[in-house]
Amino acid sequence: GDSVTQTEGQVALSEEDFLTIHCNYSASGYPALFWYVQYPGEGPQFLFRASRDKEKGSSRGFEATYDKGTTSFHLRKASVQESDSAVYYCALGDSNNRIFFGDGTQLVVKP
Amino acid sequence: GPKVLQIPSHQIIDMGQMVTLNCDPVSNHLYFYWYKQILGQQMEFLVNFYNGKVMEKSKLFKDQFSVERPDGSYFTLKIQPTALEDSAVYFCASSPWGGAYAEQFFGPGTRLTVL
Repeated sequence: GDSVTQTEGQVALSEEDFLTIHCNYSASGYPALFWYVQYPGEGPQFLFRASRDKEKGSSRGFEATYDKGTTSFHLRKASVQESDSAVYYCALGDSNNRIFFGDGTQLVVKP
Repeated sequence: GPKVLQIPSHQIIDMGQMVTLNCDPVSNHLYFYWYKQILGQQMEFLVNFYNGKVMEKSKLFKDQFSVERPDGSYFTLKIQPTALEDSAVYFCASSPWGGAYAEQFFGPGTRLTVL
Protein backbone atom coordinates (compact mmCIF):
# COMPACT_ATOMS: atom_id res chain seq x y z
CA GLY A 1 0.00 0.00 0.00
CA ASP A 2 0.90 3.67 -0.15
CA SER A 3 3.31 4.87 2.51
CA VAL A 4 5.66 7.65 3.51
CA THR A 5 8.95 7.34 5.38
CA GLN A 6 10.64 10.15 7.26
CA THR A 7 14.21 9.37 8.25
CA GLU A 8 14.68 11.79 11.12
CA GLY A 9 12.65 11.48 14.27
CA GLN A 10 14.09 14.64 15.75
CA VAL A 11 16.29 17.44 14.42
CA ALA A 12 17.99 19.96 16.69
CA LEU A 13 19.40 23.13 15.12
CA SER A 14 20.46 26.63 16.02
CA GLU A 15 18.86 29.72 14.50
CA GLU A 16 20.04 30.47 10.94
CA ASP A 17 21.09 26.84 10.38
CA PHE A 18 20.10 25.03 7.19
CA LEU A 19 17.32 22.46 7.56
CA THR A 20 16.81 19.23 5.69
CA ILE A 21 14.17 16.65 6.62
CA HIS A 22 14.19 13.58 4.40
CA CYS A 23 10.99 12.08 3.04
CA ASN A 24 10.59 9.10 0.74
CA TYR A 25 7.34 7.67 -0.50
CA SER A 26 6.04 4.43 -1.91
CA ALA A 27 3.04 4.58 -4.23
CA SER A 28 1.98 3.82 -7.75
CA GLY A 29 1.54 6.55 -10.32
CA TYR A 30 1.75 10.20 -9.31
CA PRO A 31 0.39 10.71 -5.81
CA ALA A 32 0.06 14.20 -4.40
CA LEU A 33 2.80 14.96 -1.88
CA PHE A 34 2.37 17.32 1.04
CA TRP A 35 4.17 18.82 3.97
CA TYR A 36 2.11 19.60 7.04
CA VAL A 37 3.32 21.33 10.24
CA GLN A 38 1.90 20.76 13.70
CA TYR A 39 2.35 23.10 16.67
CA PRO A 40 1.66 22.01 20.26
CA GLY A 41 -2.03 21.71 21.02
CA GLU A 42 -3.06 22.07 17.38
CA GLY A 43 -3.83 19.83 14.46
CA PRO A 44 -1.60 19.55 11.41
CA GLN A 45 -1.57 22.64 9.15
CA PHE A 46 -1.05 22.46 5.42
CA LEU A 47 2.33 23.89 4.45
CA PHE A 48 2.41 23.16 0.71
CA ARG A 49 1.93 20.45 -1.88
CA ALA A 50 3.33 19.21 -5.21
CA SER A 51 1.58 16.99 -7.71
CA ARG A 52 4.01 16.13 -10.52
CA ASP A 53 7.61 15.23 -11.12
CA LYS A 54 10.10 18.10 -10.64
CA GLU A 55 7.41 20.42 -9.26
CA LYS A 56 8.60 22.55 -6.34
CA GLY A 57 6.27 23.39 -3.52
CA SER A 58 7.10 26.21 -1.13
CA SER A 59 5.76 28.32 1.70
CA ARG A 60 7.20 30.50 4.46
CA GLY A 61 10.76 29.84 3.27
CA PHE A 62 10.30 26.05 3.27
CA GLU A 63 10.51 24.16 0.01
CA ALA A 64 10.54 20.65 -1.40
CA THR A 65 10.83 19.23 -4.91
CA TYR A 66 8.85 16.22 -6.10
CA ASP A 67 11.35 13.67 -7.43
CA LYS A 68 9.78 10.59 -8.96
CA GLY A 69 13.16 9.10 -9.82
CA THR A 70 14.25 8.90 -6.19
CA THR A 71 10.65 8.85 -4.83
CA SER A 72 11.54 11.73 -2.52
CA PHE A 73 10.10 15.02 -1.31
CA HIS A 74 12.71 16.37 1.09
CA LEU A 75 11.91 19.49 3.10
CA ARG A 76 14.51 22.26 3.15
CA LYS A 77 14.87 25.71 4.61
CA ALA A 78 17.93 27.88 4.26
CA SER A 79 17.77 29.63 7.64
CA VAL A 80 15.56 28.36 10.45
CA GLN A 81 14.12 30.47 13.25
CA GLU A 82 13.10 29.54 16.77
CA SER A 83 9.46 29.97 15.72
CA ASP A 84 9.90 27.11 13.22
CA SER A 85 10.07 24.64 16.12
CA ALA A 86 7.23 22.16 15.51
CA VAL A 87 6.52 18.67 14.21
CA TYR A 88 6.74 18.33 10.43
CA TYR A 89 4.83 15.64 8.57
CA CYS A 90 5.46 14.48 5.05
CA ALA A 91 2.24 13.08 3.60
CA LEU A 92 0.82 11.47 0.50
CA GLY A 93 -2.67 11.97 -0.89
CA ASP A 94 -4.41 9.33 -2.95
CA SER A 95 -7.37 9.35 -5.32
CA ASN A 96 -9.63 7.94 -2.60
CA ASN A 97 -9.38 11.14 -0.55
CA ARG A 98 -7.03 9.61 2.00
CA ILE A 99 -3.86 11.14 3.38
CA PHE A 100 -1.05 8.86 4.51
CA PHE A 101 1.26 10.54 7.00
CA GLY A 102 4.88 9.84 7.82
CA ASP A 103 5.93 9.43 11.44
CA GLY A 104 6.70 13.13 11.80
CA THR A 105 9.95 14.93 12.57
CA GLN A 106 10.27 17.05 15.71
CA LEU A 107 12.25 20.18 14.86
CA VAL A 108 13.81 22.02 17.78
CA VAL A 109 15.50 25.33 17.01
CA LYS A 110 17.59 26.91 19.75
CA PRO A 111 18.08 30.68 19.83
CA GLY B 1 -7.60 31.16 8.39
CA PRO B 2 -10.44 28.64 8.32
CA LYS B 3 -10.77 26.67 11.53
CA VAL B 4 -12.06 23.22 12.38
CA LEU B 5 -13.29 22.90 15.94
CA GLN B 6 -13.46 19.69 17.98
CA ILE B 7 -15.49 19.08 21.12
CA PRO B 8 -14.49 17.96 23.70
CA SER B 9 -10.73 18.38 23.82
CA HIS B 10 -10.42 15.53 26.31
CA GLN B 11 -12.73 12.64 27.15
CA ILE B 12 -12.23 9.92 29.72
CA ILE B 13 -14.64 6.98 29.74
CA ASP B 14 -14.86 3.43 30.98
CA MET B 15 -14.39 0.54 28.60
CA GLY B 16 -17.67 -0.60 27.11
CA GLN B 17 -19.31 2.80 27.25
CA MET B 18 -20.37 4.78 24.21
CA VAL B 19 -18.59 7.98 23.21
CA THR B 20 -19.36 10.61 20.61
CA LEU B 21 -16.66 12.92 19.31
CA ASN B 22 -17.88 16.13 17.72
CA CYS B 23 -16.36 18.10 14.89
CA ASP B 24 -17.43 21.50 13.57
CA PRO B 25 -15.89 21.62 10.07
CA VAL B 26 -15.06 24.69 8.02
CA SER B 27 -18.20 26.30 6.67
CA ASN B 28 -19.00 25.27 3.10
CA HIS B 29 -16.57 22.37 3.11
CA LEU B 30 -18.04 19.23 1.59
CA TYR B 31 -15.63 16.45 2.53
CA PHE B 32 -15.00 15.28 6.06
CA TYR B 33 -12.44 12.97 7.62
CA TRP B 34 -11.37 11.31 10.84
CA TYR B 35 -7.80 10.28 11.67
CA LYS B 36 -6.47 8.41 14.71
CA GLN B 37 -3.12 8.90 16.39
CA ILE B 38 -2.01 6.64 19.20
CA LEU B 39 0.60 8.30 21.43
CA GLY B 40 4.02 8.07 19.81
CA GLN B 41 2.69 6.52 16.62
CA GLN B 42 1.74 7.62 13.13
CA MET B 43 -1.45 9.51 12.39
CA GLU B 44 -3.67 7.07 10.48
CA PHE B 45 -6.68 7.56 8.25
CA LEU B 46 -9.95 6.19 9.62
CA VAL B 47 -12.76 7.30 7.32
CA ASN B 48 -13.93 9.94 4.89
CA PHE B 49 -17.46 11.16 4.30
CA TYR B 50 -19.20 13.05 1.52
CA ASN B 51 -22.80 13.78 0.62
CA GLY B 52 -24.10 11.91 3.64
CA LYS B 53 -22.15 8.74 2.96
CA VAL B 54 -18.95 7.00 3.94
CA MET B 55 -16.76 6.82 0.86
CA GLU B 56 -13.64 5.10 2.17
CA LYS B 57 -12.73 3.51 5.48
CA SER B 58 -9.60 1.82 6.73
CA LYS B 59 -9.27 -1.43 8.61
CA LEU B 60 -9.02 0.64 11.79
CA PHE B 61 -12.63 1.71 11.31
CA LYS B 62 -14.15 -1.19 13.20
CA ASP B 63 -17.81 -2.18 13.24
CA GLN B 64 -18.14 -0.35 16.56
CA PHE B 65 -17.39 2.94 14.79
CA SER B 66 -19.92 5.09 12.96
CA VAL B 67 -19.96 8.58 11.50
CA GLU B 68 -22.71 10.97 10.54
CA ARG B 69 -23.48 14.61 9.92
CA PRO B 70 -27.20 15.09 10.40
CA ASP B 71 -28.60 18.19 8.66
CA GLY B 72 -25.30 20.06 8.36
CA SER B 73 -24.61 20.06 12.08
CA TYR B 74 -21.59 18.50 13.74
CA PHE B 75 -19.71 15.74 11.96
CA THR B 76 -19.55 13.02 14.60
CA LEU B 77 -17.56 9.89 15.30
CA LYS B 78 -19.35 7.46 17.58
CA ILE B 79 -17.71 4.45 19.17
CA GLN B 80 -20.03 1.90 20.76
CA PRO B 81 -18.83 0.02 22.71
CA THR B 82 -15.37 1.42 23.40
CA ALA B 83 -12.29 -0.75 23.94
CA LEU B 84 -8.94 -0.05 25.58
CA GLU B 85 -7.21 0.13 22.19
CA ASP B 86 -9.46 3.04 21.21
CA SER B 87 -7.42 5.33 23.47
CA ALA B 88 -5.83 7.86 21.12
CA VAL B 89 -6.09 11.39 19.80
CA TYR B 90 -8.75 11.67 17.11
CA PHE B 91 -8.35 14.41 14.53
CA CYS B 92 -11.19 15.65 12.39
CA ALA B 93 -10.52 17.33 9.06
CA SER B 94 -12.51 18.90 6.25
CA SER B 95 -11.82 20.00 2.70
CA PRO B 96 -13.77 22.05 0.15
CA TRP B 97 -13.36 19.39 -2.52
CA GLY B 98 -12.08 15.85 -2.80
CA GLY B 99 -9.29 14.10 -4.65
CA ALA B 100 -5.63 13.46 -4.06
CA TYR B 101 -4.63 17.13 -4.16
CA ALA B 102 -7.16 18.58 -1.76
CA GLU B 103 -5.78 20.46 1.22
CA GLN B 104 -7.35 19.12 4.37
CA PHE B 105 -7.96 21.45 7.32
CA PHE B 106 -7.48 19.77 10.69
CA GLY B 107 -8.97 20.40 14.09
CA PRO B 108 -6.88 20.35 17.28
CA GLY B 109 -7.92 16.82 18.15
CA THR B 110 -9.86 15.08 20.90
CA ARG B 111 -7.81 13.03 23.34
CA LEU B 112 -9.83 9.93 24.23
CA THR B 113 -8.80 7.83 27.20
CA VAL B 114 -10.58 4.51 27.72
CA LEU B 115 -10.09 3.02 31.18
